[in-house]
Amino acid sequence: KAGVTQTPRYLIKTRGQQVTLSCSPISGHRSVSWYQQTPGQGLQFLFEYFSETQRNKGNFPGRFSGRQFSNSRSEMNVSTLELGDSALYLCASSLGQGVSEKLFFGSGTQLSVL
Amino acid sequence: GESVGLHLPTLSVQEGDNSIINCAYSNSASDYFIWYKQESGKGPQFIIDIRSNMDKRQGQRVTVLLNKTVKHLSLQIAATQPGDSAVYFCAENQITYNQGGKLIFGQGTELSVKP
Repeated sequence: KAGVTQTPRYLIKTRGQQVTLSCSPISGHRSVSWYQQTPGQGLQFLFEYFSETQRNKGNFPGRFSGRQFSNSRSEMNVSTLELGDSALYLCASSLGQGVSEKLFFGSGTQLSVL
Repeated sequence: GESVGLHLPTLSVQEGDNSIINCAYSNSASDYFIWYKQESGKGPQFIIDIRSNMDKRQGQRVTVLLNKTVKHLSLQIAATQPGDSAVYFCAENQITYNQGGKLIFGQGTELSVKP
């Protein structure tokens, strides 16, 4: 079974631009979560989608948004990029059926904002 | 202001020794805990999990211990190998019913295995 796939692997953008990151979950997984990882803040939860609906959201500004498609694939968008948005963005998938579930992570998209 | 990088605790062990990595969690209501391993350039990889109704769980070369009284988790790795070198994170699951995907991660511990 293929794992969680994230594209692109690396991105370089400039301040003020916007960016869209893509995530394909493990086949059969209906929940997709997004995390931001930085040296300063560690791993922080952004949001989670299940059946095309956002079920849970972390403490990030509205510039960070996401969506999920009917095939469970997900995208996240960051508008008006700031230098502090430079981070590794990780996507994780799970079945989405219970309160005790393993999350399986992709390798992430490394975003650099110049 | 300028952000300061997290200072990761580090653990250096000799190949073949046992490793113990500790973690304190924040929410006494958390009911599920996971240990992840993250190698350079990769996403976190699932190692082992434990539910709050257990205090010990064993996997292949790994054991997780949960002490709910002091909100403490530990990961024990037996016969540590160079391939175990990575950053290890504990995560607590604060999922409420019908919401998903939210793990609260610890700051991580960097394990270095000397051959």
